[in-house]
Amino acid sequence: QKEVEQDPGPLSVPEGAIVSLNCTYSNSAFQYFMWYRQYSRKGPELLMYTYSSGNKEDGRFTAQVDKSSKYISLFIRDSQPSDSATYLCAMSVGSSASKIIFGSGTRLSIRP
Amino acid sequence: DAGITQSPRHKVTETGTPVTLRCHQTENHRYMYWYRQDPGHGLRLIHYSYGVKDTDKGEVSDGYSVSRSKTEDFLLTLESATSSQTSVYFCAISALPGLPEGTEAFFGQGTRLTVV
Repeated sequence: QKEVEQDPGPLSVPEGAIVSLNCTYSNSAFQYFMWYRQYSRKGPELLMYTYSSGNKEDGRFTAQVDKSSKYISLFIRDSQPSDSATYLCAMSVGSSASKIIFGSGTRLSIRP
Repeated sequence: DAGITQSPRHKVTETGTPVTLRCHQTENHRYMYWYRQDPGHGLRLIHYSYGVKDTDKGEVSDGYSVSRSKTEDFLLTLESATSSQTSVYFCAISALPGLPEGTEAFFGQGTRLTVV
């Protein structure tokens, strides 16, 4: 079993819809939770990060962490065609880079 | 992109040959990383560096070596390339203000390597 599981999609929704992306994990020691966005043939870019449990909002994006369920989510409100990309969750135990584990990514397409 | 340049961007090489990929940064960040990305596997850490001449292994380090003789350059060498090393390789540096040091945040554009 992988430490981090992420549905690869593809996920296709109409413009303006609310998008929900999710990851589950098995290592209860994870403390830092991140979401990256990756456009085709580009490097990943950090969207949001959260420490421990709770919610964090940044514009149209909301990240949620539920450590009791080992479940994290990224919500995108008022989705735009420019949001079409692959979204990767990532998490780490602490500040050591070698402990950061990425999900396999969910491919998202927003239909105009 | 945050001052990271990878070279080459594309390379085709033959099985058994050595290959070196270069990552150059202008941000003066202490931490640098090499990942590979393959379908269904996400990003997997190969090696990372926490300072000049200070490096350590990641989860998929077999068949790879690294060197960092200057803060700005981190080299990844495939000692004897195999077809299983066909992949997209990403370099990353850290960190954003407020993030714990060592958490990578900025990625390069990637190097697409094909071993035939």
